Amino acid sequence: DVKVTQSSRYLVKRTGEKVFLECVQDMDHENMFWYRQDPGLGLRLIYFSYDVKMKEKGDIPEGYSVSREKKERFSLILESASTNQTSMYLCASSFQYQPQHFGDGTRLSIL
Amino acid sequence: AQSVSQHNHHVILSEAASLELGCNYSYGGTVNLFWYVQYPGQHLQLLLKYFSGDPLVKGIKGFEAEFIKSKFSFNLRKPSVQWSDTAEYFCAVNGGSQGNLIFGKGTKLSVKP
Repeated sequence: DVKVTQSSRYLVKRTGEKVFLECVQDMDHENMFWYRQDPGLGLRLIYFSYDVKMKEKGDIPEGYSVSREKKERFSLILESASTNQTSMYLCASSFQYQPQHFGDGTRLSIL
Repeated sequence: AQSVSQHNHHVILSEAASLELGCNYSYGGTVNLFWYVQYPGQHLQLLLKYFSGDPLVKGIKGFEAEFIKSKFSFNLRKPSVQWSDTAEYFCAVNGGSQGNLIFGKGTKLSVKP
């Protein structure tokens, strides 16, 4: 069974901090994704990657960056955290067009 | 640009009632369609998917969905809901970009025992 592991379930950070959210998948999937989930807004794609060292902007990339140095790991970086980035962050991975598999999510609070 | 509309924000049903959740998408080409479910406190799980073939697809836990190409719809159905179906349901579409999904805003289902 595919396992997508996000490093933290809950995280509290302060405004202006640099925040790293880590995601690891164990199925050798080439595709990896970062979403944020907010009530009433569904899932919105922040960044995605189809291969190592490759990244593409999603619908809401402002204020975020990503890193994919190894195939199994996809990191989301908040360069300077702001309160409007308080949200649930979901990582997912997939093989080509197959269904995405999701991690448990990281609930991030920016104070 | 692709988009996905889920018509109901919150649906409240009693146990044994029938369920239909609407999903419409906008994309003119070939699409792959998905329904995901998120139970309280859990990660998103795939309920069912449509890639091609029979437009009526069956998923886990007694759910099914029908792809109607002419209506750009992929509605989710279940004949008799249970309290354990209380969850948020997301419709998603993939068309064009490899692996990318466009999600609807979700429908929260509350089932009263």
